[in-house]
Amino acid sequence: EVQLVESGGGLVQPGGSLRLSCEASGFTFSRHWMHWVRQTPGKGLMWVARLNGDGSITNYADSVKGRFTISRDNAKNTLYLEINSLRVDDTAVYYCARDNFYDSGDFWGQGTLVTVSS
Amino acid sequence: DIQMTQSPSPLSASVGDRVTISCRASQSISTYLSWYQQKPGKAPTLLIYLASSLQSGVPARFSGGGSGTDFTLTISSLHPEDFATYYCQQSFSAPYSFGQGTKLDFK
Repeated sequence: EVQLVESGGGLVQPGGSLRLSCEASGFTFSRHWMHWVRQTPGKGLMWVARLNGDGSITNYADSVKGRFTISRDNAKNTLYLEINSLRVDDTAVYYCARDNFYDSGDFWGQGTLVTVSS
Repeated sequence: DIQMTQSPSPLSASVGDRVTISCRASQSISTYLSWYQQKPGKAPTLLIYLASSLQSGVPARFSGGGSGTDFTLTISSLHPEDFATYYCQQSFSAPYSFGQGTKLDFK
């Protein structure tokens, strides 16, 4: 059974940093591109970033470029999102999703909430 | 960047109705279009990928169509569990933008 479990969210002050993790199981992790998507409470979905299987190719949303870094450790079956220079408008539930080889997210984690507030 | 616009929003319907949600891209995206369903407090689930391919396990009352800039998601006969918010997403080029969502609620 495919499972994705996010962790690392919490309350952080503006300007702070966090590292989110997404632990994967039930599939060959290194074969799949992986995505991060976020959702501000009560609002819509925003795609954040994606990373290929060996970690060599990344893409980011314009609003996070230079502040967020997506990475992975295939030996640990874990995807990461390093978030720096946090802003109040980064407050959101952050989801990781597995790419189904057709650029769609076929399995999603339950999400981890990041709250940026002073 | 490619902008995705959904209509209508919101959409009111009844059990048994046939409903269609539209999604328009600001430029041609071929068939690189996915549809997701999201219920309150839950992660999105994939319904349709590559514009018209039904994800495994999704009921056949869901169908997708279109290419280029105009796409549709059709539910042939609404079931009570279909009342949710629906999002389209393009994967033609990064950033992989979503539409603003269409909330489907009871009439």
